[in-house]
Amino acid sequence: QKEVEQNSGPLSVPEGAIASLNCTYSDRGSQSFFWYRQYSGKSPELIMSIYSNGDKEDGRFTAQLNKASQYVSLLIRDSQPSDSATYLCAVKAAGDMRFGAGTRLTVKP
Amino acid sequence: GAGVSQSPSNKVTEKGKDVELRCDPISGHTALYWYRQSLGQGLEFLIYFQGNSAPDKSGLPSDRFSAERTGGSVSTLTIQRTQQEDSAVYLCASSPGRSVYEQYFGPGTRLTVT
Repeated sequence: QKEVEQNSGPLSVPEGAIASLNCTYSDRGSQSFFWYRQYSGKSPELIMSIYSNGDKEDGRFTAQLNKASQYVSLLIRDSQPSDSATYLCAVKAAGDMRFGAGTRLTVKP
Repeated sequence: GAGVSQSPSNKVTEKGKDVELRCDPISGHTALYWYRQSLGQGLEFLIYFQGNSAPDKSGLPSDRFSAERTGGSVSTLTIQRTQQEDSAVYLCASSPGRSVYEQYFGPGTRLTVT
């Protein structure tokens, strides 16, 4: 079992819709969770971090964490074509950060 | 302020040669990470430095790979006797550390081994 799992996609949504990206992790001791966006040919950039159960909103982005289910998600409201990218889930337990393989999102105009 | 910088941006080398990749983290960041990303793949953790602690080398794929961090700042990743499978983008990231774990990535070094 991979430490951090994501659906590789591609996930395709129409412009203006809500995009839902999901991630599960295996280490119950994990305490810190992050979402990164990576455009093709570019390096990852941090979108959001979440540390506590529940929802955390930042603009059009909402991160959701459920530690009991070992599940973290990212919702993108009013999706725009510029949101088309690969989204990486990252989880930090006691040691280093572990990344999922990423979900490729395409927002169609 | 200045972000994470890496050099060179591109490196083409012949199989069997040694290469050195450099990372200059954000000033004041105590944690530094190296990752490798092959085309269309996710991030593969290589090594992690935190302050003056011994580095976590658990991700280094072979003894041809080594890294050091001088003075708690600049880091160099060295690959000896390069192989074609070493071709990838090598990414460096830094974070403030001290319980602040958000990572900020450099632009990467694209390594091509011919």
